[in-house]
Amino acid sequence: DAGVIQSPRHEVTEMGQEVTLRCKPISGHDYLFWYRQTMMRGLELLIYFNNNVPIDDSGMPEDRFSAKMPNASFSTLKIQPSEPRDSAVYFCASSFVGTHSAPNEKLFFGSGTQLSVL
Amino acid sequence: DAKTTQPNSMESNEEEPVHLPCNHSTISGTDYIHWYRQLPSQGPEYVIHGLTSNVNNRMASLAIAEDRKSSTLILHRATLRDAAVYYCIRVNYGGSQGNLIFGKGTKLSVKP
Repeated sequence: DAGVIQSPRHEVTEMGQEVTLRCKPISGHDYLFWYRQTMMRGLELLIYFNNNVPIDDSGMPEDRFSAKMPNASFSTLKIQPSEPRDSAVYFCASSFVGTHSAPNEKLFFGSGTQLSVL
Repeated sequence: DAKTTQPNSMESNEEEPVHLPCNHSTISGTDYIHWYRQLPSQGPEYVIHGLTSNVNNRMASLAIAEDRKSSTLILHRATLRDAAVYYCIRVNYGGSQGNLIFGKGTKLSVKP
């Protein structure tokens, strides 16, 4: 399996522009997570889905951020309009329900998208 | 609040064992201890987890104190590829599902 695939690997944009980050989870995984990593705040969960349905979006910073999962093999995180403070590395992760009937027993992360908003 | 305490950084020599400590003095009886590591320019990678007993897998060993207030991740023979940030995380499977709370972790440097 190729693992969790994210694109693009790097994104540079100007303030005010729309940014779309993409993620393909591991086939068969029914949970998908979006995390953001910054030097100041470390790794933070933004939102996660179960079977394509958003379960917890309490970590989404504000209305400029939106995430969708139209099918089991694809998710997007969109920022519109983008701001310099959105600059960070965005990670997508996926998992399956394990022996403890929980989705957080083992997360598989992608390599991330390095976003720079100028 | 990560609820775990780790040293900011550690150094090791290649091919020597490394013991990475983690303090979780307020751990509850149902919290598991998970370890992830993050190599440079990569996403976090699962390493190992346990509840009470010591655990071994192909990557590492996890030693959990009898009172469960601390644990140690053991890399038996460090390689240059083990240079990474190591995160110790308390995970409650019945709690806020999905929300792995990462602290700042321990940055491990491996010298040749």
